[in-house]
Amino acid sequence: AQSVAQPEDQVNVAEGNPLTVKCTYSVSGNPYLFWYVQYPNRGLQFLLKYITGDNLVKGSYGFEAEFNKSQTSFHLKKPSALVSDSALYFCAVRDRGFKTIFGAGTRLFVKA
Amino acid sequence: NAGVMQNPRHLVRRRGQEARLRCSPMKGHSHVYWYRQLPEEGLKFMVYLQKENIIDESGMPKERFSAEFPKEGPSILRIQQVVRGDSAAYFCASLDSTFTDTQYFGPGTRLTVL
Repeated sequence: AQSVAQPEDQVNVAEGNPLTVKCTYSVSGNPYLFWYVQYPNRGLQFLLKYITGDNLVKGSYGFEAEFNKSQTSFHLKKPSALVSDSALYFCAVRDRGFKTIFGAGTRLFVKA
Repeated sequence: NAGVMQNPRHLVRRRGQEARLRCSPMKGHSHVYWYRQLPEEGLKFMVYLQKENIIDESGMPKERFSAEFPKEGPSILRIQQVVRGDSAAYFCASLDSTFTDTQYFGPGTRLTVL
Protein backbone atom coordinates (compact mmCIF):
# COMPACT_ATOMS: atom_id res chain seq x y z
CA ALA A 1 0.00 0.00 0.00
CA GLN A 2 1.24 3.46 -0.76
CA SER A 3 2.07 5.85 2.03
CA VAL A 4 3.84 9.11 2.64
CA ALA A 5 5.50 10.36 5.81
CA GLN A 6 6.41 13.87 6.86
CA PRO A 7 8.53 13.27 9.95
CA GLU A 8 8.45 16.86 11.23
CA ASP A 9 5.27 18.47 12.52
CA GLN A 10 6.94 21.86 12.44
CA VAL A 11 10.02 23.48 10.95
CA ASN A 12 11.36 26.79 12.17
CA VAL A 13 13.81 28.82 10.11
CA ALA A 14 15.05 32.40 10.08
CA GLU A 15 14.28 34.59 7.11
CA GLY A 16 17.05 34.42 4.53
CA ASN A 17 18.21 30.98 5.63
CA PRO A 18 17.73 27.85 3.53
CA LEU A 19 14.81 25.62 4.41
CA THR A 20 14.12 21.92 4.02
CA VAL A 21 10.83 20.14 4.60
CA LYS A 22 11.21 16.38 4.61
CA CYS A 23 9.10 13.73 2.93
CA THR A 24 9.56 10.00 2.49
CA TYR A 25 7.25 7.72 0.57
CA SER A 26 6.39 4.11 -0.06
CA VAL A 27 4.74 3.02 -3.28
CA SER A 28 4.89 0.07 -5.59
CA GLY A 29 6.24 0.97 -8.97
CA ASN A 30 7.33 4.42 -10.03
CA PRO A 31 5.80 7.18 -7.95
CA TYR A 32 4.16 10.41 -8.85
CA LEU A 33 5.21 12.87 -6.12
CA PHE A 34 3.77 16.27 -5.31
CA TRP A 35 4.16 19.17 -2.93
CA TYR A 36 1.27 21.46 -2.03
CA VAL A 37 1.06 24.47 0.26
CA GLN A 38 -1.94 25.53 2.32
CA TYR A 39 -2.45 28.99 3.77
CA PRO A 40 -4.94 29.52 6.61
CA ASN A 41 -8.56 28.90 5.61
CA ARG A 42 -7.58 28.23 2.02
CA GLY A 43 -7.43 25.25 -0.28
CA LEU A 44 -4.18 23.62 -1.29
CA GLN A 45 -2.01 25.22 -3.92
CA PHE A 46 0.21 23.13 -6.18
CA LEU A 47 3.94 23.81 -5.82
CA LEU A 48 5.69 21.15 -7.87
CA LYS A 49 5.65 17.54 -8.97
CA TYR A 50 7.96 14.73 -9.97
CA ILE A 51 6.79 12.25 -12.58
CA THR A 52 9.95 11.29 -14.39
CA GLY A 53 13.19 12.84 -15.58
CA ASP A 54 15.58 15.04 -13.64
CA ASN A 55 15.74 14.31 -9.95
CA LEU A 56 15.76 18.01 -9.09
CA VAL A 57 12.40 19.56 -9.74
CA LYS A 58 11.83 23.30 -9.72
CA GLY A 59 8.45 24.73 -8.79
CA SER A 60 6.57 27.83 -7.85
CA TYR A 61 7.77 30.63 -5.55
CA GLY A 62 11.42 29.53 -5.72
CA PHE A 63 10.81 26.09 -4.24
CA GLU A 64 12.49 22.95 -5.50
CA ALA A 65 12.49 19.31 -4.49
CA GLU A 66 14.93 16.50 -4.92
CA PHE A 67 13.76 13.01 -5.76
CA ASN A 68 15.99 10.32 -4.25
CA LYS A 69 14.95 6.85 -5.29
CA SER A 70 17.39 4.96 -3.08
CA GLN A 71 16.24 6.82 0.03
CA THR A 72 12.62 7.03 -1.15
CA SER A 73 12.61 10.71 -0.30
CA PHE A 74 11.29 13.86 -1.91
CA HIS A 75 12.41 16.75 0.30
CA LEU A 76 11.21 20.26 -0.39
CA LYS A 77 13.86 22.99 -0.37
CA LYS A 78 14.29 26.70 -0.82
CA PRO A 79 17.64 28.51 -0.77
CA SER A 80 16.39 31.59 1.07
CA ALA A 81 13.22 31.55 3.16
CA LEU A 82 10.73 34.41 3.28
CA VAL A 83 8.32 35.23 6.10
CA SER A 84 5.52 34.83 3.56
CA ASP A 85 6.54 31.18 3.10
CA SER A 86 5.06 30.42 6.53
CA ALA A 87 2.27 27.94 5.85
CA LEU A 88 1.33 24.27 5.99
CA TYR A 89 3.11 22.06 3.47
CA PHE A 90 1.86 18.71 2.25
CA CYS A 91 3.72 16.01 0.41
CA ALA A 92 1.61 13.61 -1.64
CA VAL A 93 2.15 10.41 -3.59
CA ARG A 94 0.13 8.74 -6.29
CA ASP A 95 0.71 5.38 -7.83
CA ARG A 96 -0.43 4.37 -11.30
CA GLY A 97 -3.98 4.29 -10.04
CA PHE A 98 -6.12 7.25 -9.14
CA LYS A 99 -5.81 7.63 -5.41
CA THR A 100 -3.49 10.31 -4.05
CA ILE A 101 -2.24 9.94 -0.49
CA PHE A 102 -1.27 13.06 1.43
CA GLY A 103 1.13 13.31 4.33
CA ALA A 104 0.01 14.77 7.63
CA GLY A 105 1.59 18.11 6.81
CA THR A 106 4.51 20.14 8.12
CA ARG A 107 3.98 23.61 9.48
CA LEU A 108 6.72 26.00 8.41
CA PHE A 109 7.44 29.08 10.50
CA VAL A 110 9.81 31.65 9.05
CA LYS A 111 10.91 34.24 11.57
CA ALA A 112 11.90 37.73 10.51
CA ASN B 1 -10.45 30.60 -16.51
CA ALA B 2 -12.18 30.39 -13.18
CA GLY B 3 -10.66 28.07 -10.64
CA VAL B 4 -12.40 25.30 -8.74
CA MET B 5 -15.43 26.64 -6.93
CA GLN B 6 -17.02 25.22 -3.82
CA ASN B 7 -20.14 26.32 -2.06
CA PRO B 8 -21.12 27.02 0.50
CA ARG B 9 -17.85 28.06 2.09
CA HIS B 10 -19.28 27.57 5.56
CA LEU B 11 -22.15 25.29 6.50
CA VAL B 12 -23.70 24.81 9.91
CA ARG B 13 -25.99 21.89 10.54
CA ARG B 14 -27.62 20.36 13.60
CA ARG B 15 -27.18 16.68 14.34
CA GLY B 16 -29.47 14.59 12.17
CA GLN B 17 -29.77 17.11 9.34
CA GLU B 18 -28.42 16.68 5.83
CA ALA B 19 -25.42 18.50 4.40
CA ARG B 20 -24.94 19.08 0.67
CA LEU B 21 -21.59 20.31 -0.53
CA ARG B 22 -21.11 21.44 -4.11
CA CYS B 23 -18.02 21.55 -6.27
CA SER B 24 -17.70 23.06 -9.73
CA PRO B 25 -14.46 21.93 -11.36
CA MET B 26 -12.30 24.04 -13.59
CA LYS B 27 -13.63 24.51 -17.10
CA GLY B 28 -12.76 21.53 -19.23
CA HIS B 29 -12.04 19.26 -16.26
CA SER B 30 -14.07 16.09 -16.09
CA HIS B 31 -12.63 14.45 -12.97
CA VAL B 32 -13.19 15.39 -9.36
CA TYR B 33 -11.72 14.25 -6.06
CA TRP B 34 -13.24 14.87 -2.64
CA TYR B 35 -11.10 15.03 0.49
CA ARG B 36 -11.80 15.59 4.17
CA GLN B 37 -9.47 17.50 6.47
CA LEU B 38 -9.84 17.39 10.21
CA PRO B 39 -8.23 20.17 12.29
CA GLU B 40 -4.45 19.92 12.34
CA GLU B 41 -4.51 16.85 10.10
CA GLY B 42 -3.76 16.09 6.50
CA LEU B 43 -6.22 15.40 3.74
CA LYS B 44 -7.98 12.08 3.64
CA PHE B 45 -9.12 10.79 0.28
CA MET B 46 -12.84 10.13 0.09
CA VAL B 47 -13.93 9.58 -3.49
CA TYR B 48 -12.83 10.04 -7.10
CA LEU B 49 -15.45 10.70 -9.76
CA GLN B 50 -15.64 11.15 -13.46
CA LYS B 51 -18.78 12.65 -14.99
CA GLU B 52 -21.61 10.18 -14.35
CA ASN B 53 -19.21 7.62 -12.88
CA ILE B 54 -17.77 6.83 -9.48
CA ILE B 55 -14.24 5.59 -10.13
CA ASP B 56 -13.02 4.98 -6.58
CA GLU B 57 -15.04 5.46 -3.41
CA SER B 58 -12.83 3.43 -1.12
CA GLY B 59 -12.25 6.36 1.22
CA MET B 60 -15.88 7.15 1.78
CA PRO B 61 -17.75 5.88 4.84
CA LYS B 62 -20.21 3.18 3.83
CA GLU B 63 -23.16 4.83 5.51
CA ARG B 64 -24.62 8.33 5.29
CA PHE B 65 -22.12 9.57 2.69
CA SER B 66 -22.69 9.68 -1.05
CA ALA B 67 -21.23 11.55 -4.00
CA GLU B 68 -22.23 12.23 -7.55
CA PHE B 69 -20.95 14.11 -10.57
CA PRO B 70 -23.76 14.45 -13.07
CA LYS B 71 -23.37 15.15 -16.74
CA GLU B 72 -24.53 18.71 -16.14
CA GLY B 73 -23.89 20.72 -13.01
CA PRO B 74 -21.55 20.48 -10.07
CA SER B 75 -20.34 17.48 -8.17
CA ILE B 76 -22.27 16.96 -4.94
CA LEU B 77 -21.06 15.40 -1.71
CA ARG B 78 -24.03 14.52 0.43
CA ILE B 79 -23.91 13.67 4.12
CA GLN B 80 -27.13 12.41 5.63
CA GLN B 81 -27.98 12.53 9.33
CA VAL B 82 -24.85 14.43 10.23
CA VAL B 83 -23.05 13.82 13.51
CA ARG B 84 -20.54 15.99 15.35
CA GLY B 85 -17.69 13.86 14.04
CA ASP B 86 -18.53 15.00 10.51
CA SER B 87 -17.33 18.51 11.38
CA ALA B 88 -14.36 19.14 9.12
CA ALA B 89 -13.20 20.98 6.05
CA TYR B 90 -14.16 19.26 2.82
CA PHE B 91 -12.10 20.00 -0.25
CA CYS B 92 -12.64 19.07 -3.83
CA ALA B 93 -9.99 19.02 -6.50
CA SER B 94 -10.37 18.76 -10.23
CA LEU B 95 -8.20 17.08 -12.78
CA ASP B 96 -8.27 17.34 -16.54
CA SER B 97 -8.89 14.33 -18.72
CA THR B 98 -5.38 14.32 -20.11
CA PHE B 99 -4.20 13.30 -16.67
CA THR B 100 -1.54 15.89 -16.25
CA ASP B 101 -1.65 14.66 -12.68
CA THR B 102 -1.96 18.06 -11.09
CA GLN B 103 -5.02 18.47 -8.94
CA TYR B 104 -6.46 21.95 -8.60
CA PHE B 105 -8.13 22.51 -5.26
CA GLY B 106 -11.15 24.53 -4.34
CA PRO B 107 -11.24 26.76 -1.25
CA GLY B 108 -13.13 24.15 0.75
CA THR B 109 -16.39 23.95 2.66
CA ARG B 110 -16.14 24.09 6.44
CA LEU B 111 -18.90 22.02 7.94
CA THR B 112 -19.82 22.54 11.57
CA VAL B 113 -22.27 20.17 13.20
CA LEU B 114 -23.88 21.50 16.36
